[in-house]
Amino acid sequence: EVQLLESGGGLVQPGGSLRLSCAASGFTFSSYAMSWVRQAPGQGLEWVSIMSGSGGSTDYADSVKGRFTISRDYSNNTLYLQMNSLRAEDTGVYYCAKGCYSSSRNNCFDPWGQGTLVTVSS
Amino acid sequence: QSVLTQPPSVSGAPGQRVTISCTGSSSNIGAGYYVHWYQQLPGTAPKLLIYGNSNRPSGVPDRFSDSKSGTSASLAITGLQAEDEADYYCQSYDSSLSGYVFGTGTKVTVL
Repeated sequence: EVQLLESGGGLVQPGGSLRLSCAASGFTFSSYAMSWVRQAPGQGLEWVSIMSGSGGSTDYADSVKGRFTISRDYSNNTLYLQMNSLRAEDTGVYYCAKGCYSSSRNNCFDPWGQGTLVTVSS
Repeated sequence: QSVLTQPPSVSGAPGQRVTISCTGSSSNIGAGYYVHWYQQLPGTAPKLLIYGNSNRPSGVPDRFSDSKSGTSASLAITGLQAEDEADYYCQSYDSSLSGYVFGTGTKVTVL
């Protein structure tokens, strides 16, 4: 069974940094793209970033480009999201999701982790 | 502001059929990129409902189906049940944004 477990969320001041982790199990980690999707309180879903199965390509939403960095550790099957220069509008639940394919513009996301809450506030 | 537009809400009585539209443009749905659909039950993470060319993951009932035409796509739920009350999102890729996009989301209410 595929399992994704996020951690690292919490309260951080504007301008601060946070690193999210997503521990993956139940599938061949290097065979699938991995993504982060967030959801602000009471709002819809917003795609944040994706990394291909090989790690050779990454993409970011314009709203986080230059501030967030996605990475993955194949030795312990973990996905990361380093978030710097955080803003109030970055507040929300951050979900880790496994891509349906290794690398494709037609990628979908399945399954999703339970999410970790990030709150940016002074 | 999402580039994929959905109606904020739809409702129907048990047993009825409801449809949810997802309107995009020539840089996403109209460019031929797949449209995928997700269901988010209250307080839970989203779940993939339909992907690719109208494929349903194991366990998703065939009451859920999709269609696509031009720059729009639709999700249909037939034989509406109380357990279908949730938020539904479409998702695709946008070549102008060079990234993935989600629809604005639709809340389905079972009357």
